[in-house]
Amino acid sequence: AQSVTQLGSHVSVSEGALVLLRCNYSSSVPPYLFWYVQYPNQGLQLLLKYTSAATLVKGINGFEAEFKKSETSFHLTKPSAHMSDAAEYFCAVSVQGAQKLVFGQGTRLTINP
Amino acid sequence: DTAVSQTPKYLVTQMGNDKSIKCEQNLGHDTMYWYKQDSKKFLKIMFSYNNKELIINETVPNRFSPKSPDKAHLNLHINSLELGDSAVYFCASSQDPGYEQYFGPGTRLTVT
Repeated sequence: AQSVTQLGSHVSVSEGALVLLRCNYSSSVPPYLFWYVQYPNQGLQLLLKYTSAATLVKGINGFEAEFKKSETSFHLTKPSAHMSDAAEYFCAVSVQGAQKLVFGQGTRLTINP
Repeated sequence: DTAVSQTPKYLVTQMGNDKSIKCEQNLGHDTMYWYKQDSKKFLKIMFSYNNKELIINETVPNRFSPKSPDKAHLNLHINSLELGDSAVYFCASSQDPGYEQYFGPGTRLTVT
């Protein structure tokens, strides 16, 4: 079975600083990996996905993530935080033939002015 | 055009009542899901349908009953509502099970 762990339930950065949200996964077969963002009072929106193509994946709103098999990680980064990035972020894992995504517990990102 | 829509957005009701939440997707997807998100933002999958067939039924009280009249719709009926049912319920869809999912805006259910 697959699992995902998001390190840090709450991350706080200053506006303009680097955003780094950590996600580690567990899977015995090649995984599919996803990052979702949830703004207040909204549904989840897909930020980016890794499905065994390029290991560096670019998503919307300037976010990107790098798949590192050796570290079983899929950390989300953005070079310069903006106030509008404040939200809850979820990492999720799946594999070919799976019936569902397995979500992490979420990381709340706060941006300080 | 909204890809995944849910109605109602807010639902306030008393304990013991029965209520339904409706979900529709216009993405042509074959798989639809119901999730429950608690106050700590934890997402718990409840049900999944693929081509109108139930494929996931997590440990959910049998007061919750999903119904999929066609591939584009997945409704959730809840009987005898309890205080602990208060949460945000999300509908989602995907082309294939286990692949990227698209979420609706959520239905905030408050049981008093």
